Amino acid sequence: AQTVTQSQPEMSVQEAETVTLSCTYDTSESNYYLFWYKQPPSRQMILVIRQEAYKQQNATENRFSVNFQKAAKSFSLKISDSQLGDTAMYFCAFRPATSGTYKYIFGTGTRLKVLA
Amino acid sequence: DAGVIQSPRHEVTEMGQEVTLRCKPISGHNSLFWYRQTMMRGLELLIYFNNNVPIDDSGMPEDRFSAKMPNASFSTLKIQPSEPRDSAVYFCASSLGRDPNEQFFGPGTRLTVL
Repeated sequence: AQTVTQSQPEMSVQEAETVTLSCTYDTSESNYYLFWYKQPPSRQMILVIRQEAYKQQNATENRFSVNFQKAAKSFSLKISDSQLGDTAMYFCAFRPATSGTYKYIFGTGTRLKVLA
Repeated sequence: DAGVIQSPRHEVTEMGQEVTLRCKPISGHNSLFWYRQTMMRGLELLIYFNNNVPIDDSGMPEDRFSAKMPNASFSTLKIQPSEPRDSAVYFCASSLGRDPNEQFFGPGTRLTVL
């Protein structure tokens, strides 16, 4: 069975500092997609960043970047220059690239608090 | 372009009543997903549709839950009869239905069953 594990239920970081959220997954698939979603207190789920497993280069979106280690099945999210608006629940998600399979498997989330 | 639209945003009802949640996906998207989020169980996929056809409803909790997608621009999730344990936030998401198939979420409906 495919699983996604986020081992850090809660984290905090000082404003302007860098924080890394961890995510590991288990799959026998060779091609898949990984996502990080942010859910602020407004509860809207927002896509932060995406990584294709066939790409070796780590994805980057402004202050957000990932460290994708395919062999280790690890997909961590790094937030640089943390801002108060980054306070949110962060979910890691996995989707196999199998044709016709569009389901995500979500982790349980990490609650991040950015401190002023 | 408008995102995924859900209505109502909040619903308070009494146990035993029928509840209908509505979703309008992003225009052009052909996959639609219904999720339920609770503190205890996290984010659960209830059902998803592709081209208006239910593909996987294995997450639907029981027969009290039903979902329909009569056309590409509208879906409903119905609970009849509702129970207090159904209290949760229900999200609808849509996607293009092709790789990488990013899902775009609606704002959610917070359901409270008294």
